[in-house]
Amino acid sequence: GAGVSQSPSNKVTEKGKDVELRCDPISGHTALYWYRQSLGQGLEFLIYFQGNSAPDKSGLPSDRFSAERTGGSVSTLTIQRTQQEDSAVYLCASSFQGAGGQVEQFFGPGTRLTVL
Amino acid sequence: GDSVTQMEGPVTLSEEAFLTINCTYTATGYPSLFWYVQYPGEGLQLLLKATKADDKGSNKGFEATYRKETTSFHLEKGSVQVSDSAVYFCALAAQGTGRRALTFGSGTRLQVQP
Repeated sequence: GAGVSQSPSNKVTEKGKDVELRCDPISGHTALYWYRQSLGQGLEFLIYFQGNSAPDKSGLPSDRFSAERTGGSVSTLTIQRTQQEDSAVYLCASSFQGAGGQVEQFFGPGTRLTVL
Repeated sequence: GDSVTQMEGPVTLSEEAFLTINCTYTATGYPSLFWYVQYPGEGLQLLLKATKADDKGSNKGFEATYRKETTSFHLEKGSVQVSDSAVYFCALAAQGTGRRALTFGSGTRLQVQP
């Protein structure tokens, strides 16, 4: 595809349930990022992948959050035992290479998660 | 740690007015600086960037100059249009620290009235 895609676009879940969010990066992009956009916290970094490894997980807010990337492509962000404060828009971005901070990150449309 | 501070919005302007959105940063070393824009119902898009001091990024009539002495990267446009209504995010990417993530400001909503 032409851009970063994410699914689902919207997810409503009950407190305590697990959710999986998916990101398809731009083909050939080796770096992949997850961010969270919420009203109270703005845009926060969650985790960064270079290939299939995650050298920076410093933004994951708790051990309920995990992510994996397979085949250097698709990534899944999993939130276990969701809480209401997890409600946010989860954004995925990819870039051509992770070396250097000046490489443009291309963002997907996001997944809006609502925890009831 | 790194941080980005933006002016609070919303900023409401009439069409053809001059726009300034202030952005200042705190970072170790010499970061790259970005402005991203989020139009209603759409994802974040890169608007412009600057990678070193005194660089000027420009796109679609918007400009921002990397000012190391004032640690600023203010966004300007000489004549705004209704179609510029969006949320604007200032961001930085650290250099030489191994950190790849962008650090964003809180965003500034711009509303342009006809």
